[in-house]
Amino acid sequence: DGGITQSPKYLFRKEGQNVTLSCEQNLNHDAMYWYRQDPGQGLRLIYYSQIVNDFQKGDIAEGYSVSREKKESFPLTVTSAQKNPTAFYLCASSPSNTDTQYFGPGTRLTVL
Amino acid sequence: RKEVEQDPGPFNVPEGATVAFNCTYSNSASQSFFWYRQDCRKEPKLLMSVYSSGNEDGRFTAQLNRASQYISLLIRDSKLSDSATYLCVVAPNAGNNRKLIWGLGTSLGVNP
Repeated sequence: DGGITQSPKYLFRKEGQNVTLSCEQNLNHDAMYWYRQDPGQGLRLIYYSQIVNDFQKGDIAEGYSVSREKKESFPLTVTSAQKNPTAFYLCASSPSNTDTQYFGPGTRLTVL
Repeated sequence: RKEVEQDPGPFNVPEGATVAFNCTYSNSASQSFFWYRQDCRKEPKLLMSVYSSGNEDGRFTAQLNRASQYISLLIRDSKLSDSATYLCVVAPNAGNNRKLIWGLGTSLGVNP
C-alpha cells in the first residue's frame, strides 16, 4: 500500500530526554513536512524539506531537529531544549509542483 | 488580521440540513486553496481543492471569491459522518512546495 507511516502512535518520555519520531513515505513525494498540533490549536509548521539533504525551519523550529538523508524518510528529534514538547505531531508529504499535502496518522508525544 | 480566519463554530445541524462555512484570507496573491477535514484525534485529510471556477464533489461544493478574498464550503444533505472539523488552507505560492497557511478550523456536529 502507498502511504505515509508514522511510528509510534503514542510515545511517553521523561522530561530531559531526547526522542525521535519516525516518518516514512512510499509515495515518491519530494517534499516532506513536520507539524505540531496542540489541543484546540491549528497546525504549526516545525520543519520542512523540499529535497533530499536539504531542509528549512518552519515557524516553531526551536528545540527540534530533522534530517533528510533519504527521499522516503524525514525523522524529527524533539530535544530537551523544547519547552513544551507534549503535543500531537503530524508528518506530511507533497508531490513536486503541487501544494497538496498528505498526512500520516500522527504521533502523540507525552512528556512526563 | 490573521492570515486565514474561520468561524470556529460549533455548527450543530440536523441530518439532511445544508450548511455553509466561509474562510477569509489576507494575502491577495495567494494561489492555491484547500479544504481539509479532521476527525477528533486524527490526521487532516484532503476534502477538496478549491478552483477559481468553483468545484463540486458529490454533496460538497467549494467556491473561491478572489475579489473579497474568501473561500466557502457548502455541504448538502448532511450526514452524521460529516461531523468533524473543517480546515481552510491557503498556499501563498502555487506549486513549489512552500508553506501552507492553516486556519484553526470550523467544528461541525450533525445530529440525528
